[in-house]
Amino acid sequence: DVKVTQSSRYLVKRTGEKVFLECVQDMDHENMFWYRQDPGLGLRLIYFSYDVKMKEKGDIPEGYSVSREKKERFSLILESASTNQTSMYLCASSFAGGETGELFFGEGSRLTVL
Amino acid sequence: GQNIDQPTEMTATEGAIVQINCTYQTSGFNGLFWYQQHAGEAPTFLSYNVLDGLEEKGRFSSFLSRSKGYSYLLLKELQMKDSASYLCAVLDSNYQLIWGAGTKLIIKP
Repeated sequence: DVKVTQSSRYLVKRTGEKVFLECVQDMDHENMFWYRQDPGLGLRLIYFSYDVKMKEKGDIPEGYSVSREKKERFSLILESASTNQTSMYLCASSFAGGETGELFFGEGSRLTVL
Repeated sequence: GQNIDQPTEMTATEGAIVQINCTYQTSGFNGLFWYQQHAGEAPTFLSYNVLDGLEEKGRFSSFLSRSKGYSYLLLKELQMKDSASYLCAVLDSNYQLIWGAGTKLIIKP
């Protein structure tokens, strides 16, 4: 089974702190994604990556950056956390060229910024 | 703009049948997905439709009408474990997934 592991299930940070969210997948997937999930809204894409050292902005990249130094690892960075970044963050991965686009998700990281 | 609409919440009885609708307006279409997400857990893939018609997979079926921009997920013989949110998502012309807000399904005994 594909496993996507996110480093922290729950985090509490203060405004202005730097936050790292890490995601590791064990199925050699080329594609990796970071979403945030908020009540009443669909999943919103923050950043995605189709290959090592490659990144593309999603729909809401402002206030976030990412890093993909190894194929299996995709990190989301909040340089200076703000209260409006309180959310559930979901990492996902998929095969390149997979026509079904099936995503495999991690359990999520619930971030609270005070 | 791109838009996916699905009901916010539905309630059904154990053992019954429920249909969760999804309508979409997107720039292009390369398939429609349904995912299940239990509270506090990761979404998991349920189904994928790219051609019109009904796809059946055990107790779950998914229907697509591309001309109407419409899909539904049909759950039969409901069980308490089916209580979850069901997410509809469309793959647009750029092969980007556009997500609905999800439908929370509550199953009552």
